[in-house]
Amino acid sequence: AQKVTQAQTEISVVEKEDVTLDCVYETRDTTYYLFWYKQPPSGELVFLIRRNSFDEQNEISGRYSWNFQKSTSSFNFTITASQVVDSAVYFCALSAFGGFKTIFGAGTRLFVKA
Amino acid sequence: GAVVSQHPSWVICKSGTSVKIECRSLDFQATTMFWYRQFPKQSLMLMATSNEGSKATYEQGVEKDKFLINHASLTLSTLTVTSAHPEDSSFYICSARPTGVVSGNTIYFGEGSWLTVV
Repeated sequence: AQKVTQAQTEISVVEKEDVTLDCVYETRDTTYYLFWYKQPPSGELVFLIRRNSFDEQNEISGRYSWNFQKSTSSFNFTITASQVVDSAVYFCALSAFGGFKTIFGAGTRLFVKA
Repeated sequence: GAVVSQHPSWVICKSGTSVKIECRSLDFQATTMFWYRQFPKQSLMLMATSNEGSKATYEQGVEKDKFLINHASLTLSTLTVTSAHPEDSSFYICSARPTGVVSGNTIYFGEGSWLTVV
């Protein structure tokens, strides 16, 4: 069975602080994909990143960085120098390679205060 | 690229009526589309997988006769909520998986549709 756990329900930070959103997953598949999506207050989901299970290289995109560790089944997301516009719900998701269903975590609501 | 458009964004309907929500992939073909439902402050609940040219696959507990899904083309899937009741009020969001393996299972989401049944 597949499962995605985002233990942090809500996080509140002050602007310019760094913040890490945790994601732990469970799967029996040997190859799979991991994703992060952002859902701002307007509701639409925005794709942020996809990571293949066989590629453990960390990735950085501007103020965003992702740390994928297969040994701990974690795919954490860090926002550096957070901004008010980063306030949103962030979902971590998992999909088996070749599969169609994407399983979402419960989401972490991030509040960035000015 | 990878734009998914959902319409309408907001809809209010009377109890007992039906309402249709459209999901279009604008710049790619999608053999498979997904319909999710999201309650306030909760995660996305997969309702059904919509397959072009064939019947949708519904998740356990989702009434197929109430939530009719049609995927008539590679760029359009529709969700019709039949005989809507206030408890059907929710945020419905669709997603589309580009045909082919290049996208690596990435699904792209529409803007979502807020349904209020009064």
